[in-house]
Amino acid sequence: EIVLTQSPGTLSLSPGERATLSCRASQSVSNNYLAWYQQKPGQAPRLLVYGASSRATGIPDSFSGSGSGTDFTLTISRLEPEDFAVYYCQQYSTSPLTFGGGTKVEIK
Amino acid sequence: QVHLQESGPGLVKASETLSLTCTVSGGSINNGAYYWSWIRQPPGKGLEWIANIYYSGNTYYNPSLKSRVTISIDTSKNQFSLNLNSVTAADTAMYYCARKPTGVAGSFDYWGQGTQVAVSS
Repeated sequence: EIVLTQSPGTLSLSPGERATLSCRASQSVSNNYLAWYQQKPGQAPRLLVYGASSRATGIPDSFSGSGSGTDFTLTISRLEPEDFAVYYCQQYSTSPLTFGGGTKVEIK
Repeated sequence: QVHLQESGPGLVKASETLSLTCTVSGGSINNGAYYWSWIRQPPGKGLEWIANIYYSGNTYYNPSLKSRVTISIDTSKNQFSLNLNSVTAADTAMYYCARKPTGVAGSFDYWGQGTQVAVSS
C-alpha cells in the first residue's frame, strides 16, 4: 500500500499569500497518477488537480500541481477567502487507492 | 452534468449490514469510460477508499474492508450499491459515492453530497 504523508498539517496564512502544500509517497507513484482535492466543511471533496499537474475543469489557474515519483506539491499562488479549506492528495496508480491525511489551510 | 446522490438509512445497529445506493443522473452508468466508487470519511478524519465497480460488473476492493464489503451495479436503474456487513462503531462515517474515469484522469471527478451513517450499539 502506498502511504501518502502530507505536510504541514496546518498552514496559517493571510489572503493574498502563497500556499505550498506537500505530499510525499512511501513509494513511487507510477505515471504520476496523483490528484489533489479541496474540502470545505459540510461539503464533499472537489477535484482540483489530476495527473500531478493537470487542472480539473473549472479550476482557476491560481492552483497548480507539480512533482513526480514520490514528491508532489500543490501551490496556490494567491489565496482568496474561499481557498481556506482542507486539501487532500490521493494516488490512483496502485490498489488500494489511498489518500493523504490532509493539510488544513487556515486564515492567520 | 453528471449528478450522484447517495441514499440509505442513517442509523445501523452494530453487527448488522449497512446498505447504500448511489443514483446517477445526467449520464449513463453503462459507460466503459468510468468506474463507480464508494469512499468514506469518519467524523473529523480523512478519506478512505472502499471499492470500485466497472459497468461490466468487475469489482475492486480495499483489502482492509474486502471481507465485509460487496459493491454491485444495476445499469437498468443507473444505480450502484454498497453493502458492508458486521458493522461496528468504527464504520460510523460520511459515505460518498463518486465517479472515477479510467486512465490518466482516473481520480474522483464527480462526488455525491454524502450520506451520514451512524452505527449504534
